[in-house]
Amino acid sequence: GAGVSQSPSNKVTEKGKDVELRCDPISGHTALYWYRQSLGQGLEFLIYFQGNSAPDKSGLPSDRFSAERTGGSVSTLTIQRTQQEDSAVYLCASSLVGEGFETQYFGPGTRLLVL
Amino acid sequence: SQKIEQNSEALNIQEGKTATLTCNYTNYSPAYLQWYRQDPGRGPVFLLLIRENEKEKRKERLKVTFDTTLKQSLFHITASQPADSATYLCALEGDNFNKFYFGSGTKLNVKP
Repeated sequence: GAGVSQSPSNKVTEKGKDVELRCDPISGHTALYWYRQSLGQGLEFLIYFQGNSAPDKSGLPSDRFSAERTGGSVSTLTIQRTQQEDSAVYLCASSLVGEGFETQYFGPGTRLLVL
Repeated sequence: SQKIEQNSEALNIQEGKTATLTCNYTNYSPAYLQWYRQDPGRGPVFLLLIRENEKEKRKERLKVTFDTTLKQSLFHITASQPADSATYLCALEGDNFNKFYFGSGTKLNVKP
């Protein structure tokens, strides 16, 4: 079956531009996470969606970052007025609440480079 | 919050030996702890989960231990193979069950 997919796989942008990153979770998975991974670093939690509940946005580093999840499926992470320090790999993961809730299935990530 | 420490230095071992990776945490003991494998250019892949009331968990050549007194988990790969070469991350569920804290990972190199 299809896993978590993310697009684009790579994105190069200029400082100050806005970018949108997309995540398609596994069908039926109600929980969705966004993480950021800088070179040689661990995963930094950004935001969590669960069903129709209000998302946990506590990991978003600034108000330039926002995310939404439409119809309980596809999610978009938007970074406005990008800065060079936003350069990183952005990973999306989904999981199934209930059985195996704790297991996250990750996408391949979007590599963002801000020049 | 939680601080997770994994050895940032790569672990180099010979094929056939047992690799042991360490994950230490500093604050509250989580209800469970996970280990993931990450290959270059890919997202992490779940390997094993161990709960706080479990001392040890095994899956094929993998073994995980969880010592809540030491605040430490050990991850073992027995009879290691070059294909086991990757970065291994440990992750702990956060204090509100919505967050997961990941370590920075330890890179394992298995030489033939």
